[in-house]
Amino acid sequence: TQLLEQSPQFLSIQEGENLTVYCNSSSVFSSLQWYRQEPGEGPVLLVTVVTGGEVKKLKRLTFQFGDARKDSSLHITAAQPGDTGLYLCAGVESGSEKLVFGKGMKLTVNP
Amino acid sequence: DSGVTQTPKHLITATGQRVTLRCSPRSGDLSVYWYQQSLDQGLQFLIQYYNGEERAKGNILERFSAQQFPDLHSELNLSSLELGDSALYFCASSVVRGRGEQFFGPGTRLTVL
Repeated sequence: TQLLEQSPQFLSIQEGENLTVYCNSSSVFSSLQWYRQEPGEGPVLLVTVVTGGEVKKLKRLTFQFGDARKDSSLHITAAQPGDTGLYLCAGVESGSEKLVFGKGMKLTVNP
Repeated sequence: DSGVTQTPKHLITATGQRVTLRCSPRSGDLSVYWYQQSLDQGLQFLIQYYNGEERAKGNILERFSAQQFPDLHSELNLSSLELGDSALYFCASSVVRGRGEQFFGPGTRLTVL
């Protein structure tokens, strides 16, 4: 059983479209992170959210942490080909230091 | 550039062999994590070291072992290799007692033939 479920798993869209990626769990997390990974490279940290209901913006990316700290979403506005990659959410369970990853959402933005 | 370095970048070996992967964490980070990434399993946590001591274990096989040295670099040893061990292996480092933010190296791609 995957602790963190991401949906959708795959998404192919045209440049300029908006999209939302979801990261859901039945567990409570003390913090949750979003990473972006390009083929053959290591994941790169985009953002960390720690407070229930927290919203963070990074240019065209908006991240939200659920009120109960069990889920998160990533919204991309006006996607660009440079946004193509694997988006991973990862959470630190309360009382733990282990980071648990979802399987990721593979995004392709076509020009 | 995350500041985490890993060597080698690629490794091709045969079944039954033993290999060692090396990782140097970011300057100042005491914690090192090892992950395995395969197409069907995603990113799987293997083991964590903090300042030379094992801190947490994940889905690490008995054929695999790791250590962290006094200079804080870490090595992951994989022995009796099987075809299914072919994967990307990542090292990450962090400041423990932070918010769990980890910084990943570029990875080692292991191919077992």
